[in-house]
Amino acid sequence: SQQGEEDPQALSIQEGENATMNCSYKTSINNLQWYRQNSGRGLVHLILIRSNEREKHSGRLRVTLDTSKKSSSLLITASRAADTASYFCATALNTGGFKTIFGAGTRLFVKA
Amino acid sequence: DGGITQSPKYLFRKEGQNVTLSCEQNLNHDAMYWYRQDPGQGLRLIYYSQIVNDFQKGDIAEGYSVSREKKESFPLTVTSAQKNPTAFYLCASSIVSGGYQPQHFGDGTRLSIL
Repeated sequence: SQQGEEDPQALSIQEGENATMNCSYKTSINNLQWYRQNSGRGLVHLILIRSNEREKHSGRLRVTLDTSKKSSSLLITASRAADTASYFCATALNTGGFKTIFGAGTRLFVKA
Repeated sequence: DGGITQSPKYLFRKEGQNVTLSCEQNLNHDAMYWYRQDPGQGLRLIYYSQIVNDFQKGDIAEGYSVSREKKESFPLTVTSAQKNPTAFYLCASSIVSGGYQPQHFGDGTRLSIL
């Protein structure tokens, strides 16, 4: 697998349901970030979780990080049609200097 | 409001032509980045700049060039040497480089070949 690989590739749910997306990575990280991208637009930063943190919340978003399994999950609760977008995880490596790697994303469809 | 402005939104390139994509930020960020996004894929780093008058190649720099003469501006030129330029190009900035701060993105430029 690549660094920062999301699963599933696509997810379709009904409005009001919860959506869970997962991200796996290969090498040691400083932090992991989640971004949202609406169709034809730029990415919007959602949340950053550092390697010494296990869980963070922001509104309807909950992010967990398990460094022993090299994985993270993004949970969106009570989803809305407006949550329809692609979601990307990005890992900042612990190598020093610049290196942030974006995954291929999960496409979320929330049906009204 | 502070943000990043990319222009134009759509751009068409003729065979053998160089084209320049504009990226301007008023966030007072030191670091700026250019990414390429192909359909259904993640972002690939083309170039990045940590400070004015300095920039480094990313993973796919061949066929591209940049300059960073002002803190707020980081234009990307897609040269004729880039044989497959059709893609969505995203510019981003962050307070400092190193991946330890979130990146702020513009709304992209979609480049196509005529």
